[in-house]
Amino acid sequence: DTAVSQTPKYLVTQMGNDKSIKCEQNLGHDTMYWYKQDSKKFLKIMFSYNNKELIINETVPNRFSPKSPDKAHLNLHINSLELGDSAVYFCASRPGLAGGYEQYFGPGTRLTVT
Amino acid sequence: GESVGLHLPTLSVQEGDNSIINCAYSNSASDYFIWYKQESGKGPQFIIDIRSNMDKRQGQRVTVLLNKTVKHLSLQIAATQPGDSAVYFCAEAFSGGYNKLIFGAGTRLAVHP
Repeated sequence: DTAVSQTPKYLVTQMGNDKSIKCEQNLGHDTMYWYKQDSKKFLKIMFSYNNKELIINETVPNRFSPKSPDKAHLNLHINSLELGDSAVYFCASRPGLAGGYEQYFGPGTRLTVT
Repeated sequence: GESVGLHLPTLSVQEGDNSIINCAYSNSASDYFIWYKQESGKGPQFIIDIRSNMDKRQGQRVTVLLNKTVKHLSLQIAATQPGDSAVYFCAEAFSGGYNKLIFGAGTRLAVHP
């Protein structure tokens, strides 16, 4: 009964490929996020959805496209992968914009681009 | 611009000692602060939070102190245990930006027996 789950946990792929990472939360939360954590452990927000609507879109290359088919799922598709995309990607969720600020994180997906 | 940073990238302590992890923030409009713990291979885990109308908040073995005058935040861990070894992040948010969390660089806490 994992609260926020991500698949896959590890992803190794070559430059130029297209890949997707999936996230699901069973907490009944309205708001979900994608973060990128680089090799220096710096966590940076990429996107946020609230009730399937995109509300935060940071300065991220348009090769990255999030999709939220429903409130419980937020997927991240990456086109034409580059070496610099190698990182750990975390999904997080939060009850909603009117609720507490605390975000619940998934276990992460380590993406390695070779 | 917005920034949240930490004074010490690595902190080594003896088991049983108290630990203090510091964080500086620059956005005076931030009204919420939070500490996360990240163990190796896992996602960040909530420890404790504090709102800007408070100076201090205590949890189980942890205390967060907020000094708005100098824009400083600290996390105190009492009787540090080996299980406390992890990377600790502070983050700030303000209600005007969809409550977006802005994370600091992280401090690694190493607890030695």
